[in-house]
Amino acid sequence: EPEVTQTPSHQVTQMGQEVILRCVPISNHLYFYWYRQILGQKVEFLVSFYNNEISEKSEIFDDQFSVERPDGSNFTLKIRSTKLEDSAMYFCASSRDPSTGELFFGEGSRLTVL
Amino acid sequence: LAKTTQPISMDSYEGQEVNITCSHNNIATNDYITWYQQFPSQGPRFIIQGYKTKVTNEVASLFIPADRKSSTLSLPRVSLSDTAVYYCLVANYNQGGKLIFGQGTELSVKP
Repeated sequence: EPEVTQTPSHQVTQMGQEVILRCVPISNHLYFYWYRQILGQKVEFLVSFYNNEISEKSEIFDDQFSVERPDGSNFTLKIRSTKLEDSAMYFCASSRDPSTGELFFGEGSRLTVL
Repeated sequence: LAKTTQPISMDSYEGQEVNITCSHNNIATNDYITWYQQFPSQGPRFIIQGYKTKVTNEVASLFIPADRKSSTLSLPRVSLSDTAVYYCLVANYNQGGKLIFGQGTELSVKP
């Protein structure tokens, strides 16, 4: 069964460092998303991406965040200068047709900022 | 997007049917009701989606009354592995397909 894969599974970084989280969406999907979940809290929407551009972004997704689809398979989330409060699990998701309600989530990348 | 309200937690025993009700009083005409499941340290997983009446798949049933102000996810004969957080979401697909998660219901299934 096809799945969304994310790397790294866990990254520890120092405050102020740049981090890139990588995702390989399911191959025939065209809609991509990043969510995050701070430990013990709800899943929060960050950004959606379609047709090589951002469709929508939340207030969390400020200038420190960026997304890119550098080639036909990868979808990346970059945090330019990490803060302590960026520590969270980051989930990538993809969908072939969002109107079905079905987004396929990856296993997540746990980011720890020290 | 319509706000959803669901119980914070529920307990059940193996083999029982579990019904989790979600209220969404401000649901709009173009909104769909979607349920997701999340195990600890894993990404959410789609369970079921509906617009009105009843929808059933191999995992669950979703009951939506005529006024659509609430919905009930029904899990038949739960097992220990159904212990998870269950999210009720209301989604409008004119808004790019994003899903907004609430706090969810933490279901604990006991032997």
